Formats: sequence, C-alpha cells, structure tokens
Amino acid sequence: QVQPQESGPGLVKPSETLSLTCTVSGGSIRSHYWNWVRQTPGKGLEWIGSIYYNGTTNSNPSLRSRVTIAGDTSKNQFSLKLSSVTAADTAVYFCARARTNYVQYYMDVWGTGTTVVVSS
Amino acid sequence: DIQMTQSPSSLSASIGDRVTITCRASQSISSFLNWYQQKPGKAPKLLIFAASSLQGGVPSRFDGSGSGTDFTLTISSLQPEDFATYFCQQSYSGWTFGQGTKVEVK
Repeated sequence: QVQPQESGPGLVKPSETLSLTCTVSGGSIRSHYWNWVRQTPGKGLEWIGSIYYNGTTNSNPSLRSRVTIAGDTSKNQFSLKLSSVTAADTAVYFCARARTNYVQYYMDVWGTGTTVVVSS
Repeated sequence: DIQMTQSPSSLSASIGDRVTITCRASQSISSFLNWYQQKPGKAPKLLIFAASSLQGGVPSRFDGSGSGTDFTLTISSLQPEDFATYFCQQSYSGWTFGQGTKVEVK
C-alpha cells in the first residue's frame, strides 16, 4: 500500500527557506502526479504545487514565485522549498498522490502531515 | 482562480439523519469535483471523485451529485464515525478547496 510521509524542520525563521521532503513507501513515484498541500485555520486547505516523475512541475500562481518542487526517483522522494517565509506560511503541510480516471484527477493517498511554524 | 464555496459552514445532526452539503464553483467545472472527509489531526480522506464516483472502501451511504457549478454531498444515514469536516475540491484548473463543512453532534 502506497504511503507518503512528510519530513523536515518544524521551525523556520522568517525570511528563510522552508524545506520539506516526502518519502513514498509501498510504491513508486514513477507514475501519477505528486502534490504539496497545506492547511491553516485561516485559509483552509491550499494546493501548493505538483510534480510528475518526469520532472514536470506546476504550482499555485499565488505561491509560484517562492515555490520549488523537485523529485528524486532514486530515493522515491520529492521535495518542497518555499522561500522568504513569513508567519502566514505557518501551516500543516501534506504531500499527496493525484490519481486519474483518464479524464480528471483526484488526491487519493495522503501523508499524515507535518506542522511547520515560522517564528524567530 | 476558481473559487469554491460550501454551505453550510457547520451543521448539527443526529445519528440516522440524512445530511446534505452543497458546494458551488465560481465558474463551470463540469464534473471535476472531489469530496474529502477530514477528522481532527488527520489528513483528508477521499470520498467521492469526478462528482459522483465513490472511492473504493467508502460506504455507500455517501453520495455525490451535480455538474457545472453546483454540487451536493449527501450522507443518507449519518453514522457515529461520520462526524467530521467535509471539503469539496475542484481539479478543473489547478486545485482549489472549499472552506469546509463541519458536521457536529446535535
């Protein structure tokens, strides 16, 4: 059974770069799209961006200038870097697989989430 | 950006009740609509994809309908494990979530 798991620092200083890794077990990342989603009490669930195993990426226009998503198929991992963070980036960050029925996509497998606090 | 608006934001219901949650898109999204359930401290769980297709392992009391801009999630007979927050999500253009509907005990 495919299981993604987020990892990374739980505390990041303002203006620095948030870095998270999603490690996928029980299956290969060499299929499907893989996503980063975050959740805050104020803004709810927000899609950050996605990556396909061939390296194709896409991201939320509101975050695009600060987001870098990369994949490492040899480690079955993908990563998120969010630069110039502020307190507004404090959130629970999830990684999730996007599957398709050949017409449209849906996020069917999620990691457990990791909390990141931006504070000095 | 496509905005998703859910209503109500919360509701109180009893075991056995029929519960209906609506989701409206700011523009037509055909059937590119998914529904998730989330319990406190947990990740969202996919219930319905493509507006009306039941995800494997999800009880048949969950039903999704709609197309275009208006969608509905119905729980035919609320069970104790259904008290949770429900989110809609569009996948027509990028991904956007509704703000959530919390189903609480009456």
